[in-house]
Amino acid sequence: EAQVTQNPRYLITVTGKKLTVTCSQNMNHEYMSWYRQDPGLGLRQIYYSMNVEVTDKGDVPEGYKVSRKEKRNFPLILESPSPNQTSLYFCASSYLSGGTGSTGELFFGEGSRLTVL
Amino acid sequence: AQSVAQPEDQVNVAEGNPLTVKCTYSVSGNPYLFWYVQYPNRGLQFLLKYITGDNLVKGSYGFEAEFNKSQTSFHLKKPSALVSDSALYFCAVRDAVGIYGGATNKLIFGTGTLLAVQP
Repeated sequence: EAQVTQNPRYLITVTGKKLTVTCSQNMNHEYMSWYRQDPGLGLRQIYYSMNVEVTDKGDVPEGYKVSRKEKRNFPLILESPSPNQTSLYFCASSYLSGGTGSTGELFFGEGSRLTVL
Repeated sequence: AQSVAQPEDQVNVAEGNPLTVKCTYSVSGNPYLFWYVQYPNRGLQFLLKYITGDNLVKGSYGFEAEFNKSQTSFHLKKPSALVSDSALYFCAVRDAVGIYGGATNKLIFGTGTLLAVQP
């Protein structure tokens, strides 16, 4: 089954304790992205990757890091979490626009709800 | 800059009645528009998209959307609502150009509209 898998789904942590949210897709997509969802703000892009070893900032990258060492994985790293990073996080993937006729619709994971105390 | 607006935080409709969830957009160039649905504790699911061609786009679960260029709108519709349609709906537009000047997969989302269908 084609899917984007995120872990953990739920996490409560404390300020300053490094954490990683993993994301894996099995559709051989080149493009992967992280979004955060906050009430009244919709989804905002944190980071994205066009392919292996190619990553770049989205609209709200402060406090986050990513890496893309393999095509299928795109972990989101919070080196020193703060309470303002309490949010619902989504990983998404797609073929690159224009590639294989794709128009780039995103496939989303189930989400990771993070609470930073 | 590309943007979408969903003017209603919540839409209430009785089961069996038609429903409309509104979306307006602002883009430079031709818009690539999408609708996604989010059920409680789930990720976003793709419903439908408009790229080019027919202004009436049909999607999953009986939903359709009408692209109106003169009104810069892309409203989501369904002729007969079901209680199971109750969810959060997001309109999105694909960003025009990536930072390297080529095509981009980035979607810019609206703030979402909560659809509540009463039995």
